[in-house]
Amino acid sequence: EAQVTQNPRYLITVTGKKLTVTCSQNMNHEYMSWYRQDPGLGLRQIYYSMNVEVTDKGDVPEGYKVSRKEKRNFPLILESPSPNQTSLYFCASSLSGTAGNTIYFGEGSWLTVV
Amino acid sequence: GQNIDQPTEMTATEGAIVQINCTYQTSGFNGLFWYQQHAGEAPTFLSYNVLDGLEEKGRFSSFLSRSKGYSYLLLKELQMKDSASYLCAVREDSGNTPLVFGKGTRLSVIA
Repeated sequence: EAQVTQNPRYLITVTGKKLTVTCSQNMNHEYMSWYRQDPGLGLRQIYYSMNVEVTDKGDVPEGYKVSRKEKRNFPLILESPSPNQTSLYFCASSLSGTAGNTIYFGEGSWLTVV
Repeated sequence: GQNIDQPTEMTATEGAIVQINCTYQTSGFNGLFWYQQHAGEAPTFLSYNVLDGLEEKGRFSSFLSRSKGYSYLLLKELQMKDSASYLCAVREDSGNTPLVFGKGTRLSVIA
């Protein structure tokens, strides 16, 4: 089954404690990205990657890092989480980043930073 | 700059038809997507328009007018399970550029 898998799905952590949210897709997609979704603000892109070893900042990259060492994986790293990073996070992938290629979303990761 | 506008909330009756509008002002245009998102779940793809006109897919249709920077999603024969948020998203150019999402329209279907 074609899917985008994120882990963990739910996490409560403390300020400053580094965490990684993993993302994996099994569709051989080149393009992967991370979004955060907050009430009243909609989906905002954090980082995206057009292919292995190629990453770019989205609209809200501050406080986040990513890496793309393999095609299927695109982890999101919060080096020193802060309460304003409490959000619902979605990983997404598509065949490429162009034109009509549909974006497939993971199930989401609820992150709370206290 | 980029700006995508949708109504925040709408309510409609089971069995009825509802139209959700989306207007956009972006530096370029290379396609518009509609996604459905149930509360706490991932967005799922509904439709894609790149040329003017109406695309029909079962109970859902999507319309695009590029000259007006306008799209709508039409839902017919509404069912309770259609209660969800509907997200309009625009791709600004033909390269590997991110989708820009509107804030979504929360639709409530009532009996």
